[in-house]
Amino acid sequence: GQQLNQSPQSMFIQEGEDVSMNCTSSSIFNTWLWYKQDPGEGPVLLIALYKAGELTSNGRLTAQFGITRKDSFLNISASIPSDVGIYFCAGQLTGGFKTIFGAGTRLFVKA
Amino acid sequence: DVKVTQSSRYLVKRTGEKVFLECVQDMDHENMFWYRQDPGLGLRLIYFSYDVKMKEKGDIPEGYSVSREKKERFSLILESASTNQTSMYLCASSSPSEPYEQYFGPGTRLTVT
Repeated sequence: GQQLNQSPQSMFIQEGEDVSMNCTSSSIFNTWLWYKQDPGEGPVLLIALYKAGELTSNGRLTAQFGITRKDSFLNISASIPSDVGIYFCAGQLTGGFKTIFGAGTRLFVKA
Repeated sequence: DVKVTQSSRYLVKRTGEKVFLECVQDMDHENMFWYRQDPGLGLRLIYFSYDVKMKEKGDIPEGYSVSREKKERFSLILESASTNQTSMYLCASSSPSEPYEQYFGPGTRLTVT
């Protein structure tokens, strides 16, 4: 079935650093979604992308929908301790609402 | 504000027990989903429903069943719980038209002993 490759699997960074993570797929997606999951909680939607090439920001977070429609990137600027958690990318296929999730990037921020 | 609630945050059950996980959403969404989340495997779709009394198998339906008698409520049933069903279970709902953004509940951490 369809798969998303999300990298890196984990990141250990210092407070104040910028962070980048990405997802790639062999399939073309109609929509890319980025979620954050805090420990013991469900994922929360951060950013949704609907068009190839689209760049969208939400505070210190910026995400891009790749031009090929097979990849997406999430950047976090000036990280803070509350950025700790697991970040998931998700792609939705053309013509349907089934959502494919990446395995997640676990972010650790050292104060 | 979008709200998805799950009946329990933590459950401990014995092997062979019948287990019910309940999910309720207040957004009038047609689509509802059950996932399980395991370390290193991400979110895997168990079942989804696109309308009352309608259901479709996801990627890992074996050992599970679902019930959707009302639009706002989607139940996941483990007919005979096994230890390999110990996991975090997440319910989600989505809007009835594109872009189908999914909103998640807080999760139920189920331990089967």
